Amino acid sequence: TQLLEQSPQFLSIQEGENLTVYCNSSSVFSSLQWYRQEPGEGPVLLVTVVTGGEVKKLKRLTFQFGDARKDSSLHITAAQPGDTGLYLCAGAIRTYKYIFGTGTRLKVLA
Amino acid sequence: SAVISQKPSRDICQRGTSLTIQCQVDSQVTMMFWYRQQPGQSLTLIATANQGSEATYESGFVIDKFPISRPNLTFSTLTVSNLSPEDSSIYLCSVEKAADTQYFGPGTRLTVL
Repeated sequence: TQLLEQSPQFLSIQEGENLTVYCNSSSVFSSLQWYRQEPGEGPVLLVTVVTGGEVKKLKRLTFQFGDARKDSSLHITAAQPGDTGLYLCAGAIRTYKYIFGTGTRLKVLA
Repeated sequence: SAVISQKPSRDICQRGTSLTIQCQVDSQVTMMFWYRQQPGQSLTLIATANQGSEATYESGFVIDKFPISRPNLTFSTLTVSNLSPEDSSIYLCSVEKAADTQYFGPGTRLTVL
């Protein structure tokens, strides 16, 4: 069974703090996506990383794909209450087949 | 991008009944996906639906329990049959508009009593 483990599972921080979420697997992925999901809504795609070692930035969010394409990280700088949500990574193991991570529930306190 | 709507947004059903969930996309797509998200959990792929052919089910999901229709390139339905409390989940449809780019509907929250 292919698994994508995310850590931490839960994170509660103060506004302005930095944080990093990790997504790890023993499997190699052709690409990896990060999503944020808010209550009552579907996941919203934040970024897709494709190349090993790739780094992408989206405002205060920095995403990195591991060199071996087995892991990824999401770093948020100066977190804001609007960053609160469930963060999910998803790895593509083949065309039209994605494995979702276990999820990281982030709460940013004002 | 893609705009996806689902109906119903939520429902409460009795044990033993069935619920059919509709998914409508604002543009034509080749593949549509159905996921289940159990309370507080991540997403698990149920099946992929290609227009004009049988859906492809993931391990642990069978057509008798989760029949899927895909009558055209913008629409799909998922039926959850013979409901039990263990089926209480959020059911999400998604589409892939470009390689490795999925867009999700808002989900259908099902509660089975």
